[in-house]
Amino acid sequence: DAGITQSPRHKVTETGTPVTLRCHQTENHRYMYWYRQDPGHGLRLIHYSYGVKDTDKGEVSDGYSVSRSKTEDFLLTLESATSSQTSVYFCAISAIMGREVSTDTQYFGPGTRLTVL
Amino acid sequence: GENVEQHPSTLSVQEGDSAVIKCTYSDSASNYFPWYKQELGKRPQLIIDIRSNVGEKKDQRIAVTLNKTAKHFSLHITETQPEDSAVYFCAARGSNYQLIWGAGTKLIIKP
Repeated sequence: DAGITQSPRHKVTETGTPVTLRCHQTENHRYMYWYRQDPGHGLRLIHYSYGVKDTDKGEVSDGYSVSRSKTEDFLLTLESATSSQTSVYFCAISAIMGREVSTDTQYFGPGTRLTVL
Repeated sequence: GENVEQHPSTLSVQEGDSAVIKCTYSDSASNYFPWYKQELGKRPQLIIDIRSNVGEKKDQRIAVTLNKTAKHFSLHITETQPEDSAVYFCAARGSNYQLIWGAGTKLIIKP
């Protein structure tokens, strides 16, 4: 599983509250991604990172921010959660720091199920 | 913008028969095409991938074909088994190391 963990695995929160999801990897991968998955929409990219403090927006970034202060951690923050952000969130990685191999192949974490009431 | 279309959205086949899922991509510069399988409640997992310098790749009962001229690629599963039931996603490599994803195909294997 490429050494990827996500926390929490399940969360229920209320509209308007901030929420932070964590993705942690142990194998020094360079690229990290946050996706959301909703029925009928497949996987949609929220944000991604290509190194420490280097991040960029994906196709559905509104309402989300990210931070990567260490190679191993990529945090996704919902600044003020809304019901439309109820979803399953997957973190993914690709590539290994210092070795530009497999930059294309992505491996996924176990996912976080978020419910916003 | 970059786009990947995947068909069909649902596919039901008899156990033992073959299943084919097709994807079309828009960016002619795409050169990497993975397929993922996602079982209910689980994470997507890579099952096979192909790069643009080859036309076909096989791994036991699974094969992927690529037609760069027509910009489409297909997943073929032969001798389907109950454990093949899942949602399958195709993707194409876009710009900035991103993958552009299809919407998924739910494969149902009938006993």
